[in-house]
Amino acid sequence: NAGVTQTPKFQVLKTGQSMTLQCAQDMNHEYMSWYRQDPGMGLRLIHYSVGAGITDQGEVPNGYNVSRSTTEDFPLRLLSAAPSQTSVYFCASSTQGTLSYNEQFFGPGTRLTVL
Amino acid sequence: AQSVTQLGSHVSVSEGALVLLRCNYSSSVPPYLFWYVQYPNQGLQLLLKYTSAATLVKGINGFEAEFKKSETSFHLTKPSAHMSDAAEYFCAVSDPGTYKYIFGTGTRLKVLA
Repeated sequence: NAGVTQTPKFQVLKTGQSMTLQCAQDMNHEYMSWYRQDPGMGLRLIHYSVGAGITDQGEVPNGYNVSRSTTEDFPLRLLSAAPSQTSVYFCASSTQGTLSYNEQFFGPGTRLTVL
Repeated sequence: AQSVTQLGSHVSVSEGALVLLRCNYSSSVPPYLFWYVQYPNQGLQLLLKYTSAATLVKGINGFEAEFKKSETSFHLTKPSAHMSDAAEYFCAVSDPGTYKYIFGTGTRLKVLA
């Protein structure tokens, strides 16, 4: 199993450009999520999904869109990049369970710089 | 709302010394608590988790954590630090019913030779 994969690993954008960060998992996990990691702020939840066709907002959703058409894929779209979106982005997945105690499996991250 | 506080953004210990990383939580319901580790330029991986089965939880690489409800704490310890333990450590709490995880701000552990 490849686990959780993310592409690209690095990306530089200009302000106003759009792009999609890809995330895929091969563990048949229902739950997938996107976080951004900024120095001194830990990980903050952007969007999450509890299954194909179901998404919801996290703590910092503004400027980002997601969709979940398959169990495996959960892309994150930046509509119009801003310097404030310079960050490291992590995708994670887990089995959904009913008691929220399941381990999350993280991808290796995408380091995004917006100029 | 659930939250976690990690005391100390940077901790330095000598090789062979005790590692103690602090985490306090705020929760109105019994929480599920986690410690994750992040090595440089990598994603996070689970060290251990508390799900109410036992208050002392053992994890990988010799780490353990004790859930203390009276102190609302879930501190991470390791008796003897190794150079390979140098990493950033995150405490997290899950929000039952919403499937949201709330992460602390992280503690970077440095191990001195």
